[in-house]
Amino acid sequence: SQQGEEDPQALSIQEGENATMNCSYKTSINNLQWYRQNSGRGLVHLILIRSNEREKHSGRLRVTLDTSKKSSSLLITASRAADTASYFCATENQYGNKLVFGAGTILRVKS
Amino acid sequence: DTAVSQTPKYLVTQMGNDKSIKCEQNLGHDTMYWYKQDSKKFLKIMFSYNNKELIINETVPNRFSPKSPDKAHLNLHINSLELGDSAVYFCASSQEGLLRTHNEQFFGPGTRLTVL
Repeated sequence: SQQGEEDPQALSIQEGENATMNCSYKTSINNLQWYRQNSGRGLVHLILIRSNEREKHSGRLRVTLDTSKKSSSLLITASRAADTASYFCATENQYGNKLVFGAGTILRVKS
Repeated sequence: DTAVSQTPKYLVTQMGNDKSIKCEQNLGHDTMYWYKQDSKKFLKIMFSYNNKELIINETVPNRFSPKSPDKAHLNLHINSLELGDSAVYFCASSQEGLLRTHNEQFFGPGTRLTVL
């Protein structure tokens, strides 16, 4: 069954605003990863957070992980039109043998 | 210098035909994957290979047969194509780390398969 579920399904914001996407999952994990997919392209890895980490930053991205609530959030600060894409969370199970992807959040940044 | 490449990018074919999609990675990774992304953008793993050995086979019809001639290549052959096989197929690779965990996966550009 699907592991990660994201919300919102779609998000539309103005350039310069912050965008927050949430991901929930069901079972124990080794790590949680966020990916971006531009229309018609493959997925690009953004950031990985391990189960023993609570927060991680990469440029304008900030990811949090709450293993007690089995949830994660991705914050994109000072969004740009180029951030328009679908964002997926993916969890690596405790056996380390596969990633399970959520349904994704479609982000639209209007200029 | 493309990290993960797939061919073809588009594939349009009739029901009942047999087709293959090829994938190559030049990252030196030991694990490769095939994913299917449906029209609702839901991405589901189909197979994974580690050092040419099948690790995951996720309830995929046996009309789908992956083949890994070496650890840099993972091809996908599909027999007797059906309408429901229409989707975008992504190849990916990663390197197995300590305690069998994996870090980021690198994805190919995808193959859009349309079955008529």
